[in-house]
Amino acid sequence: EAGVTQFPSHSVIEKGQTVTLRCDPISGHDNLYWYRRVMGKEIKFLLHFVKESKQDESGMPNNRFLAERTGGTYSTLKVQPAELEDSGVYFCASSQDLGNTQYFGPGTRLTVL
Amino acid sequence: QKEVEQNSGPLSVPEGAIASLNCTYSDRGSQSFFWYRQYSGKSPELIMSIYSNGDKEDGRFTAQLNKASQYVSLLIRDSQPSDSATYLCAVEGDSSYKLIFGSGTRLLVRP
Repeated sequence: EAGVTQFPSHSVIEKGQTVTLRCDPISGHDNLYWYRRVMGKEIKFLLHFVKESKQDESGMPNNRFLAERTGGTYSTLKVQPAELEDSGVYFCASSQDLGNTQYFGPGTRLTVL
Repeated sequence: QKEVEQNSGPLSVPEGAIASLNCTYSDRGSQSFFWYRQYSGKSPELIMSIYSNGDKEDGRFTAQLNKASQYVSLLIRDSQPSDSATYLCAVEGDSSYKLIFGSGTRLLVRP
């Protein structure tokens, strides 16, 4: 069974540009989560999808971040325009049911110059 | 006060010793507790979950939970150099399924 995959693994962009991160959850997992770890800090929750619906987006830092999960399969996280403080590692996780183990992807390392 | 607190380490132990990793949390309503292991540049990997007070053992790993003291720990017996990694404590809140992570403890097992 394939795990959670994320693309790209690393992205370097300039301040003001747009970046789109993609996450493919484990097949059959209705729950998809985005987290991020900025330098020196702990991993922090961004939002949670149940199928295509946003269940909890309390962790989204501001309106420069937009997450979508059309069709309830893969998800994208767009940052527009990117700022220096957005640099960090963005993790995606998925779980089959609510309360089940969350399996993490390898992360996308975003560097904003 | 951070929601989930861990000593950043590094915690250095000799091969074969017991490594003890500790975590405290602030939300008394928390129901589920997890230990993830993360190798450098890799994704967090779940190694233990615990939901009720007491001990839970899985191979060389034992998780301990004390809800009254808001304390969860992970013991690694017969530590191996391959156990060297960052160990993340995560807590699931009572009203949300999001995980709240500590900053992680770096464990070094010396051969």
